[in-house]
Amino acid sequence: NAGVTQTPKFRVLKTGQSMTLLCAQDMNHEYMYWYRQDPGMGLRLIHYSVGEGTTAKGEVPDGYNVSRLKKQNFLLGLESAAPSQTSVYFCASSWRGDFTDTQYFGPGTRLTVL
Amino acid sequence: AQTVTQSQPEMSVQEAETVTLSCTYDTSESDYYLFWYKQPPSRQMILVIRQEAYKQQNATENRFSVNFQKAAKSFSLKISDSQLGDAAMYFCAYRSLYNNNDMRFGAGTRLTVKP
Repeated sequence: NAGVTQTPKFRVLKTGQSMTLLCAQDMNHEYMYWYRQDPGMGLRLIHYSVGEGTTAKGEVPDGYNVSRLKKQNFLLGLESAAPSQTSVYFCASSWRGDFTDTQYFGPGTRLTVL
Repeated sequence: AQTVTQSQPEMSVQEAETVTLSCTYDTSESDYYLFWYKQPPSRQMILVIRQEAYKQQNATENRFSVNFQKAAKSFSLKISDSQLGDAAMYFCAYRSLYNNNDMRFGAGTRLTVKP
């Protein structure tokens, strides 16, 4: 199993450009999450999904959109990138049946917005 | 909202020695989960250990153990017989039992292991 994978690993955008980050998991997990990690701070939840076709806002959702058309994929979109969105983005997934909901993380995507 | 505080931005330990990383949290809830994650230079977050708040017994995983003090809202991680591969960022995290889609992370502690 590959676990949780993220595409791309690195990206540089100009202000106002758009892009989509792809997260894929092969563990048949129901829940998926997108976080951002900024220097000196812990991970903060952007959006999450509790199943195919569902999405919900997390702690810092502004400027991002998500979609979960397939159970194994969770996409994070930036419609008009801003320098404040420069960050490392992590995707995670978890199994609904695990009562502790332990999350399994991808390797991260480093995004720079100029 | 729950907050998680890691007061040690950096720690270092000699190989084969023991080190303890601190974590405190703020919550009004009685049931919740606590986690320690390791983030090596590869950036991937790896689960180290987890603790259910209703359990009084401290969790252990091989060389990793926790000291969970519920009344003090403290959740420290002890790494015994430290190895070079333990060098990483360590994040403490809190998950509510009632809103279990919202995980709160501390800012992290960078652990250096000296040979």
